Amino acid sequence: AQSVTQLGSHVSVSEGALVLLRCNYSSSVPPYLFWYVQYPNQGLQLLLKYTTGATLVKGINGFEAEFKKSETSFHLTKPSAHMSDAAEYFCAVSDHNNNDMRFGAGTRLTVKP
Amino acid sequence: GAVVSQHPSWVICKSGTSVKIECRSLDFQATTMFWYRQFPKQSLMLMATSNEGSKATYEQGVEKDKFLINHASLTLSTLTVTSAHPEDSSFYICSAIRGDTGELFFGEGSRLTVL
Repeated sequence: AQSVTQLGSHVSVSEGALVLLRCNYSSSVPPYLFWYVQYPNQGLQLLLKYTTGATLVKGINGFEAEFKKSETSFHLTKPSAHMSDAAEYFCAVSDHNNNDMRFGAGTRLTVKP
Repeated sequence: GAVVSQHPSWVICKSGTSVKIECRSLDFQATTMFWYRQFPKQSLMLMATSNEGSKATYEQGVEKDKFLINHASLTLSTLTVTSAHPEDSSFYICSAIRGDTGELFFGEGSRLTVL
C-alpha cells in the first residue's frame, strides 16, 4: 500500500523567492510519484511525474522535483515564485500501473507581492 | 492531448433525489477509471476503481449502494449518488487510465451541492 505525507498545509513565500513544497512517501513497491496543482473549483493539472530513470524531474511552469529513495522524498521546488503559482499542490504516489493512486493532504501556496 | 470530461460541472439538487455524474474519455479508451471525492480544503479520497464491464471495487468505508458506479463502455463511467443528502455535497473527480499507453488523466471535477 502507498501513502503520502505533505509537510506543511500552508506555505507562504514572497514573489521571486524560492518555493519548496515537501513530500514524503511510503510504498511497498518502487513508486511512481506525481505533483499536481489545483486552482479553485477546478480539476487537477499534472506538474510533473517520476516513473523511472533520472531522479531530477522537470515539469511545467518552472517546477522540478527530485526523487530521493534514501529519504523517501519527492520535494517540489521552483527557483522564483510568481503570483500565478498561488494554488493548492498535491503530491501523489501510485504503483507502476497507475493504479491505487493516493494523494497527500495538499499544501496551499500563497505568494505575496 | 488526451482529455477526460466530466458532466455536469456543477449540480444542485434537493435532498432525497439521485444525481448522476458522467466521466468520459474523449479521445482514448479507458481500461480503468477511478472516482475521487474531495471535501473543501481537503485532499482527494479514492472512492472506487471501475473496470469496463465489471463491478467497481470500492474503498473501505464507501457505501456501494449509496454511490453507484457503472463502467458500461471503454469511454464512459458514471457515478450516481442515490438519495443524496447535504453531507454528500462535495467535489467529485474522476480519472482514467489510457488503455494503449497506461497514462493517467483527470477530469475537471463535478461539484455537487445538496440542499
